[in-house]
Amino acid sequence: GENVEQHPSTLSVQEGDSAVIKCTYSDSASNYFPWYKQELGKRPQLIIDIRSNVGEKKDQRIAVTLNKTAKHFSLHITETQPEDSAVYFCAARPSNYQLIWGAGTKLIIKP
Amino acid sequence: GAGVSQSPSNKVTEKGKDVELRCDPISGHTALYWYRQRLGQGLEFLIYFQGNSAPDKSGLPSDRFSAERTGESVSTLTIQRTQQEDSAVYLCASSYGGSSYEQYFGPGTRLTVT
Repeated sequence: GENVEQHPSTLSVQEGDSAVIKCTYSDSASNYFPWYKQELGKRPQLIIDIRSNVGEKKDQRIAVTLNKTAKHFSLHITETQPEDSAVYFCAARPSNYQLIWGAGTKLIIKP
Repeated sequence: GAGVSQSPSNKVTEKGKDVELRCDPISGHTALYWYRQRLGQGLEFLIYFQGNSAPDKSGLPSDRFSAERTGESVSTLTIQRTQQEDSAVYLCASSYGGSSYEQYFGPGTRLTVT
């Protein structure tokens, strides 16, 4: 079955710098890749997603890239701000199945 | 409109007791998910309901766990003979369609088994 690995488990960056979180998946049939953000004590919320027919998607300071050949996708956050501090989860959806989640990355923005 | 709601928000129970957790999804959402999140950990999939299809129960950790959903409305997650390792936040999410649609999470139920 599908397996999603997420790295790093913790990422600390200086405010204003960029942050990159990477995920790999094993099932080449996976076709949907969302990213969720969970602030401390709050519920996860979708921040961006990408489907397998697209290589990159941007939304202001956030972007996601997908490399289907290598079976990995990444979340890029530019000009990081204190409110970006959270745990970020990636997920992959194998065909006709429910999401398989990564273990999460704790992003710390240092002032 | 109203989001996903869950009740109770907190539940403390003694080991060996049964507990029932409730989830009210967003109206019109056909898919409903239950997850378990232990402190500082990721999302552990438990069960997935999609419309009138048979639920995907592949994530339920033992036969002490069960869930029901009436049509496309309320769902209840039942844990029988609770154990201390069941202590966690139980999150419910719903989506408009299948698993390639955005999942909207509820606030969770924090379960503590003493």
